[in-house]
Amino acid sequence: QSALTQPASVSGSPGQSITISCTGISSDLGGYNYVSWYQQHPAKAPKLMIYDVSIRPSGVSNRFSGSKSGNTASLTISGLQAEDEADYYCYSYTNSVFGGGTKLTVL
Amino acid sequence: QVQLVQSGAEVKKPGASVKISCQASGYSFTNYAIHWVRQAPGQRLEWMGWIHGGNGYTKYSQRFQDRVTITRDTSATTAYIDLSSLRSEDTAVFFCARDSIKDGEYRAKFDYWGQGTLVTVSS
Repeated sequence: QSALTQPASVSGSPGQSITISCTGISSDLGGYNYVSWYQQHPAKAPKLMIYDVSIRPSGVSNRFSGSKSGNTASLTISGLQAEDEADYYCYSYTNSVFGGGTKLTVL
Repeated sequence: QVQLVQSGAEVKKPGASVKISCQASGYSFTNYAIHWVRQAPGQRLEWMGWIHGGNGYTKYSQRFQDRVTITRDTSATTAYIDLSSLRSEDTAVFFCARDSIKDGEYRAKFDYWGQGTLVTVSS
């Protein structure tokens, strides 16, 4: 299970957009495109934000979007809000591992 | 509503084993998977393994393969993780999470999570 690399931290001001990358996703000839993203506030359980690379579960704001190009997946948050400040983790089915996590600070 | 309720905090001595439960409700247990994820203090999430709620198939992270066992009791709609040969570095919060299944494999769509169980390993 090879590691996934995320930036340790990103920041942005309210209303701005930020993107968090997740690099090192293994290819799979089976075509499984199972990459998901999780938001975790301090001392809380993670929350599913994106699955299958770009699908938002019901109830998740459309300010959150996901994409993938080559071996890198990305999570974009637009219109940053104070409550978006949290840790974010990617997960890849083909790697069977979480990324190192990214701390998002809303300035 | 879907709920995953985990057992309470544990304190163990080095070398001991710990078994944590995750009781599921509000959905068809055998049609979904359960994953176990741990998080050491201030550290990242670590995937430990998963179990198919229906046929009991399991797969473990290579990092824990020799020390972890995941089981389930379909009549109790409960999944369990057993971690042996505990050391201080195993001090962490352990989470269970539900996932969908497709073609016998999990989807990496951890949509419901338990509340977490703190395991402290200390002499």
